[in-house]
Amino acid sequence: DAKTTQPPSMDCAEGRAANLPCNHSTISGNEYVYWYRQIHSQGPQYIIHGLKNNETNEMASLIITEDRKSSTLILPHATLRDTAVYYCIVRVVAGTASKLTFGTGTRLQVTL
Amino acid sequence: GAVVSQHPSRVICKSGTSVKIECRSLDFQATTMFWYRQFPKQSLMLMATSNEGSKATYEQGVEKDKFLINHASLTLSTLTVTSAHPEDSSFYICSAHRPDRGGTYEQYFGPGTRLTVT
Repeated sequence: DAKTTQPPSMDCAEGRAANLPCNHSTISGNEYVYWYRQIHSQGPQYIIHGLKNNETNEMASLIITEDRKSSTLILPHATLRDTAVYYCIVRVVAGTASKLTFGTGTRLQVTL
Repeated sequence: GAVVSQHPSRVICKSGTSVKIECRSLDFQATTMFWYRQFPKQSLMLMATSNEGSKATYEQGVEKDKFLINHASLTLSTLTVTSAHPEDSSFYICSAHRPDRGGTYEQYFGPGTRLTVT
């Protein structure tokens, strides 16, 4: 799976949008971009994923650049409960199970 | 959504003893489960892939005789840490693959088990 690069930490004021960047310059054409987050002392939680089109769900939006070498996860109105480590992962999605390789992620701190 | 449970959530054991951690998929059948380990302030590291009815596949550097994995049914995988030592103290997390969802919501993670070896 392709390697990703994320800033180690970010701060965001509550109620503002949190924009978390991810670089994946070696991504292959059949690799998807996945985002998970991990709140302290809990298991990771799936957020969103995409291949090349922008995606939105009830949690977040995912913006993927046209060349697919980078993406941004957007939390439109961050709350204190969004404080967590956010992981960007690129992986091939096959018919059978494929493992996730976690990088170091971005520690997002949402403040009052 | 799909739920994965782990038991126990926290365990303290003495050095030299063995500890078993259970991972269950509560509302779906999982042919494949994964076991991760996470040390403080570090990322998750995949230890092994557990396949129902067959031997687990271990990542490089993970001792298969120390970390015994059994996936005897489609809803249960167990990780046994044998002859535990203080350096095995860590946060152990499992995930389960839901094969009927293809590329969406593929892996569901358990809440983790905090192991402390004294």
